[in-house]
Amino acid sequence: DAGVIQSPRHEVTEMGQEVTLRCKPISGHDYLFWYRQTMMRGLELLIYFNNNVPIDDSGMPEDRFSAKMPNASFSTLKIQPSEPRDSAVYFCASSSSGGARFTQYFGPGTRLTVL
Amino acid sequence: QKEVEQNSGPLSVPEGAIASLNCTYSDRGSQSFFWYRQYSGKSPELIMSIYSNGDKEDGRFTAQLNKASQYVSLLIRDSQPSDSATYLCAVTPSGSARQLTFGSGTQLTVLP
Repeated sequence: DAGVIQSPRHEVTEMGQEVTLRCKPISGHDYLFWYRQTMMRGLELLIYFNNNVPIDDSGMPEDRFSAKMPNASFSTLKIQPSEPRDSAVYFCASSSSGGARFTQYFGPGTRLTVL
Repeated sequence: QKEVEQNSGPLSVPEGAIASLNCTYSDRGSQSFFWYRQYSGKSPELIMSIYSNGDKEDGRFTAQLNKASQYVSLLIRDSQPSDSATYLCAVTPSGSARQLTFGSGTQLTVLP
């Protein structure tokens, strides 16, 4: 079975540009999570969805960040406009309410560099 | 005070020794506890979960939970160089069914 798929794997952009990160969760999983990982702040939860509905977005740092999940197999995290402090590795993870309790499966991540 | 605290390390142990990783958490209502392993440049992967006080063993790994002390630990027996990684402790906060709060991780190096 395919795991969580993220694209792109690496993104280099200039300050002020729009960045869109993509995630395909494991088929059948009804929870999807977006995390950001930096050396300074570690792994932080940004937002999570249940059955395509955003449940908690309190971790989204500011209005420049937005996330959508138009269907069960696709989600996007958008940053507009991007800033150098957004440079980090962004992970998507998914889990199933029918599976082992709270086990989250992580994608390979997108390494974002904002110049 | 951070919600989930870990010693950042680095922690170095010789091959074959027992590596002991510790984690404390501040939310007394937390019910589920996890250890993830993250190799450099890779994504976190779950290696252990524990929900009840006491010990849980899986191969060379043992997770220990003491809810009264708000303490979780991971023991790795017969450590191998391939165990060298960052180990992340994660807990579910009370009032949330699915979220995880992660510690900052402990970097472990197993010396051949």
